Amino acid sequence: DGGITQSPKYLFRKEGQNVTLSCEQNLNHDAMYWYRQDPGQGLRLIYYSQIVNDFQKGDIAEGYSVSREKKESFPLTVTSAQKNPTAFYLCASSLRGQVDFGSGTRLTVV
Amino acid sequence: AQTVTQSQPEMSVQEAETVTLSCTYDTSESDYYLFWYKQPPSRQMILVIRQEAYKQQNATENRFSVNFQKAAKSFSLKISDSQLGDAAMYFCAYRSAHISNFGNEKLTFGTGTRLTIIP
Repeated sequence: DGGITQSPKYLFRKEGQNVTLSCEQNLNHDAMYWYRQDPGQGLRLIYYSQIVNDFQKGDIAEGYSVSREKKESFPLTVTSAQKNPTAFYLCASSLRGQVDFGSGTRLTVV
Repeated sequence: AQTVTQSQPEMSVQEAETVTLSCTYDTSESDYYLFWYKQPPSRQMILVIRQEAYKQQNATENRFSVNFQKAAKSFSLKISDSQLGDAAMYFCAYRSAHISNFGNEKLTFGTGTRLTIIP
């Protein structure tokens, strides 16, 4: 079945550590996105990529980094510079108006 | 920049009744898309309904319909015959259709409305 896989579902890290969230899609979609979800704030765009080896900052990119070395993969690194990293992170991909979402990763930093 | 506003953080409705969720947006663009997404407790985002701004006719999907008022920049969702499975967070979202955004389907979301169904 085609879809988007985010792993792990739950992630715990100590404050000050970088952590990488995985997002893989087998839909042959060109574009991929990372959104952050906080209670009462909806989803906010962190980074997006329209093609391999290219990506753009979204509305809240500070403290995050991404790479797009393969069409299928768009990992997100939450760095120690991100002040409030605890959140729910959703990955999405799209092609010609069809947008699909992964099931998310809940990151808790203690 | 576009903004999407959902002024109802929480709503509740009796099972089998009808409920309307509100959404307003702000944009200077003339061509765009509007969406309603459902996020159940599983947190999977599910597309409920989509509206193209150039279409005057309101979109309908089974029990779900929208009231799209382009001049007022309003996009409400009506759920008829509410069912227990409709309980979820509902997000209104905007996407530009401008040619400069071709191949880029990034969405701007509202803050969501939590819908509770009362048995």
